[in-house]
Amino acid sequence: ILNVEQSPQSLHVQEGDSTNFTCSFPSSNFYALHWYRWETAKSPEALFVMTLNGDEKKKGRISATLNTKEGYSYLYIKGSQPEDSATYLCAFHYGGATNKLIFGTGTLLAVQP
Amino acid sequence: DTEVTQTPKHLVMGMTNKKSLKCEQHMGHRAMYWYKQKAKKPPELMFVYSYEKLSINESVPSRFSPECPNSSLLNLHLHALQPEDSALYLCASSQEGGDWPYGYTFGSGTRLTVV
Repeated sequence: ILNVEQSPQSLHVQEGDSTNFTCSFPSSNFYALHWYRWETAKSPEALFVMTLNGDEKKKGRISATLNTKEGYSYLYIKGSQPEDSATYLCAFHYGGATNKLIFGTGTLLAVQP
Repeated sequence: DTEVTQTPKHLVMGMTNKKSLKCEQHMGHRAMYWYKQKAKKPPELMFVYSYEKLSINESVPSRFSPECPNSSLLNLHLHALQPEDSALYLCASSQEGGDWPYGYTFGSGTRLTVV
């Protein structure tokens, strides 16, 4: 069984705070690591797809890093805004079978104005 | 069009009913997926279609029957479901080939309740 763990489960921050979450995944059979943002009553939205060890990606105030050797990825949000409130899901793209994503349980972020 | 559209948004069905969930995309994506999500759990893969052919079935019970009639449409036919099948059913699509891997585009899901 392939386990993808995310921490913390939930996070409450004030507007303007910077925050980060962790995704832990198996270090074998790695193909890619995806991050998604899922706002309530909407569709999950792809943020990043990362493949290379040491990779860093950035989209506005959100960035992510990847360590495939130790099996973890960090997602950072700089200067959180209320519109950042959502569940952030990571997904391990299993190298043993194409097109197979295994999702973590997510981190629920609530940003208070 | 950059969306995946799922219908219906909500469905209540009895255990003896037959119903279908529909998923549509017009982005030219050749991979389409069904995921199931129960409360406080991660989305779980059910089926993958690649170029309209079923490529992955995650040992899903036969009361769930997928169908991909063309490259834009994905159906999930439901028959004789159990109350424990109540969940959010998500459809997604992605490109294939080229600079693989790509992020998935998800629909907003069908909330299914089996009574």
